[in-house]
Amino acid sequence: NAGVTQTPKFRVLKTGQSMTLLCAQDMNHEYMYWYRQDPGMGLRLIHYSVGEGTTAKGEVPDGYNVSRLKKQNFLLGLESAAPSQTSVYFCASRRPGQGRNQPQHFGDGTRLSIL
Amino acid sequence: GENVEQHPSTLSVQEGDSAVIKCTYSDSASNYFPWYKQELGKRPQLIIDIRSNVGEKKDQRIAVTLNKTAKHFSLHITETQPEDSAVYFCAAMGQAGTALIFGKGTTLSVSS
Repeated sequence: NAGVTQTPKFRVLKTGQSMTLLCAQDMNHEYMYWYRQDPGMGLRLIHYSVGEGTTAKGEVPDGYNVSRLKKQNFLLGLESAAPSQTSVYFCASRRPGQGRNQPQHFGDGTRLSIL
Repeated sequence: GENVEQHPSTLSVQEGDSAVIKCTYSDSASNYFPWYKQELGKRPQLIIDIRSNVGEKKDQRIAVTLNKTAKHFSLHITETQPEDSAVYFCAAMGQAGTALIFGKGTTLSVSS
């Protein structure tokens, strides 16, 4: 089991460029999440999905779009990158429910720099 | 929606001392509170969690307490070691029970 895999690991973009971050999980988890991590700001929820074909906004959704066409994949898109989107992006997944039997698994993160 | 406040933002202790990190949450419907440890350049890793029907939970040198009436929970690390140095995040289950909302993190430094 690979767990949660994020692609790419690093990327540098110019302002205005677009790109897609890919998250793949092999644990058959229903729920998937995208967070961004900035110094002193913790992990902030961007968008999430509770099942294939569904998405929902989190705490900081502006400037991002997501899609969950397949259960195992959750894509995060930046249509027109801005320097304020420079961050480390983490994907996570888990089974429905709350508690020890449904831990949230994180990927290794994508470090994105926008010049 | 859920809001999680975490204090302190930085904490420095001597090896062998205890460390305490405190969090408060806003949504009284939240009933799951995990703690994550993140080492430099790594992914967050779950270290302990507690559900709202339990007041305290221990796992070796770490423990978590929950006061649901006051809507706060705490992480206690005893006999700290240099390898405990990391960023610790608390979280509460928000978004109607579908997503974890995290605090801003505490950078713990343990000096030998």
